[in-house]
Amino acid sequence: DGGITQSPKYLFRKEGQNVTLSCEQNLNHDAMYWYRQDPGQGLRLIYYSQIVNDFQKGDIAEGYSVSREKKESFPLTVTSAQKNPTAFYLCASSMNVKTEAFFGQGTRLTVV
Amino acid sequence: QQQVKQSPQSLIVQKGGISIINCAYENTAFDYFPWYQQFPGKGPALLIAIRPDVSEKKEGRFTISFNKSAKQFSLHIMDSQPGDSATYFCAASRSNDYKLSFGAGTTVTVRA
Repeated sequence: DGGITQSPKYLFRKEGQNVTLSCEQNLNHDAMYWYRQDPGQGLRLIYYSQIVNDFQKGDIAEGYSVSREKKESFPLTVTSAQKNPTAFYLCASSMNVKTEAFFGQGTRLTVV
Repeated sequence: QQQVKQSPQSLIVQKGGISIINCAYENTAFDYFPWYQQFPGKGPALLIAIRPDVSEKKEGRFTISFNKSAKQFSLHIMDSQPGDSATYFCAASRSNDYKLSFGAGTTVTVRA
């Protein structure tokens, strides 16, 4: 069935390590996004991509990197430069700018 | 700074009552205003959305009211049910921009 799949659901990382979060969609959507969610702060945009091989920084891109080599996939790497990486990470996609965004179920990252 | 301000942070309502959540924005270029519903540990799901050409939109027990001159919009949940207990986010974006700006969220608890 169609949708957005994020994996893993829970992820633990040691300080100083990079970690990559997976996001795959089979909705044939052009646009994909990564948001970070912290308690009491809503969702904040990290990176977004409108088409394959193109992406732009969002509001809080520092310490993160992305790639968009395939339409279906938009992985997010949380680097050791991210000072406070513990959060709930949400991937989303939309057909185009005028249509709704669909969210995945999220990945909870904890730095130990 | 947050482009969309949401209040209250939380609210408790009795079953059958009305829940009201308010949002305000500054950017007059915003022309798409969705509301998302999120259950614990899950990704947000689109609930209802409105564009500035209408002042009200109703879908079942959920109604959005929009006041363009005041740059405010609100969500009303009529006949609130325990299953409505969730966190609700308002958001805003421009038609030519993929990025959604989210409010901080409102946690609604419906008591039976």
